Amino acid sequence: ETGVTQTPRHLVMGMTNKKSLKCEQHLGHNAMYWYKQSAKKPLELMFVYNFKEQTENNSVPSRFSPECPNSSHLFLHLHTLQPEDSALYLCASSRDGTTPDPNEQFFGPGTRLTVL
Amino acid sequence: AQSVAQPEDQVNVAEGNPLTVKCTYSVSGNPYLFWYVQYPNRGLQFLLKYITGDNLVKGSYGFEAEFNKSQTSFHLKKPSALVSDSALYFCAVRVAGSARQLTFGSGTQLTVLP
Repeated sequence: ETGVTQTPRHLVMGMTNKKSLKCEQHLGHNAMYWYKQSAKKPLELMFVYNFKEQTENNSVPSRFSPECPNSSHLFLHLHTLQPEDSALYLCASSRDGTTPDPNEQFFGPGTRLTVL
Repeated sequence: AQSVAQPEDQVNVAEGNPLTVKCTYSVSGNPYLFWYVQYPNRGLQFLLKYITGDNLVKGSYGFEAEFNKSQTSFHLKKPSALVSDSALYFCAVRVAGSARQLTFGSGTQLTVLP
C-alpha cells in the first residue's frame, strides 16, 4: 500500500443526502489533493492543500466542500450532488505542493461514489 | 500552458513481447514528465519520472521511458510484457521550475494476453 488511505471505499447516496469522504496519509507529506476520475477522461484536479491551507480550487461546484484540519487528514464534504458527480474520487499527497521540485504524488485507492 | 495526450485508449500485446504506451506533451518551457499505473480498484502508483539528464529513464517493475524533446514524446516501454502488467497507464506533465500542478492524460488500458 502507498500510505494513503481513503474511506469509505464505496458510497451510494441520494441527491438530497449529505456525506463525507475521508483521506489520511501516513507519509509525513505537507500537500494533499482531491481528484475526480471519470471513465476515459483525464484526472480532474479539484482541490490542493499545502500545510493545511487551500492553494487551488479548480472551479469546483460548491456542493463539494473540502476540509483539511491538519497535514495528515483531508475531507470532502458532499451535499445535494447530481448523478453526473458519480465517479471515483482519489486523494493524493506529496512532500510539498508549492515547490517547483518534481515531487511525485502518492495516491489512495479511491472512493467509488454513485449518486442516485 | 501544459497538456498531455495519450493517443491510444487501448493497447493489446502478447505476453513476452515488447510493449509501448505512447505519450506526447505540450508545455511552455522544459517539462517534468511522469508515468503512473492504476490496477483495478486501486489508486495510481508512481512508475517513473523524467527531470533532466539521460533521455532513457528506468522505473519500477522493469518499465522504462524515453524522453524525446524534438518529438515532444515520453513513451513508456518494457522489453518483455507480463500478464500482470495489464492495467491503466497515465502520463502526466508539469512545467519545470513551476509550482503548477500535474496535468494528466486520459489513460491507456494495457492488456497483456497470455
